[in-house]
Amino acid sequence: KQEVTQIPAALSVPEGENLVLNCSFTDSAIYNLQWFRQDPGKGLTSLLLIQSSQREQTSGRLNASLDKSSGRSTLYIAASQPGDSATYLCAVDNNNDMRFGAGTRLTVKP
Amino acid sequence: DTAVSQTPKYLVTQMGNDKSIKCEQNLGHDTMYWYKQDSKKFLKIMFSYNNKELIINETVPNRFSPKSPDKAHLNLHINSLELGDSAVYFCASSRLAGGEQFFGPGTRLTVL
Repeated sequence: KQEVTQIPAALSVPEGENLVLNCSFTDSAIYNLQWFRQDPGKGLTSLLLIQSSQREQTSGRLNASLDKSSGRSTLYIAASQPGDSATYLCAVDNNNDMRFGAGTRLTVKP
Repeated sequence: DTAVSQTPKYLVTQMGNDKSIKCEQNLGHDTMYWYKQDSKKFLKIMFSYNNKELIINETVPNRFSPKSPDKAHLNLHINSLELGDSAVYFCASSRLAGGEQFFGPGTRLTVL
């Protein structure tokens, strides 16, 4: 059974810092991995999707990497801004069975 | 222009009642999903459905049933509501099974 872990659970940084969020999973036979952000009381916004055959994806200041063999993904956020404050969720898809991590709550202080 | 919409946004009801949550997507996607986010904010998949196949998470009680009148809708019916059903329920869709998923805004269900 796939288990997804995200570290750290919470992170607070000053504005402008670069930061890395970590996600690990136990079953490397994944279909894809998706990073989301969730604002308080809101739904999930898709940030990046990495297919199992890919090693990274980039969108603006975000870069996500995937190392299937070691069961790890990282989300790199460059030049963080207060508007980046949210909970970031990693989700792993094993053929229509999507498992989420518990999330990393990010606070970017002005 | 909402891609994935859910109604109602909030639902407060008594134990034992039967209720439904509606979900619609205007993205032309083939696959839709229901998720439950509990009080600890942990998200779990409940169902995934396309016009060929319904996949049910084995932990979901059979009081929960998805109903799809057409490809753009996947409604969630819940019978005999229990206190433990209180949570936020999210609908999502993807173009194909295993594709990028887009989420609705959620429905906060409170069972009294």
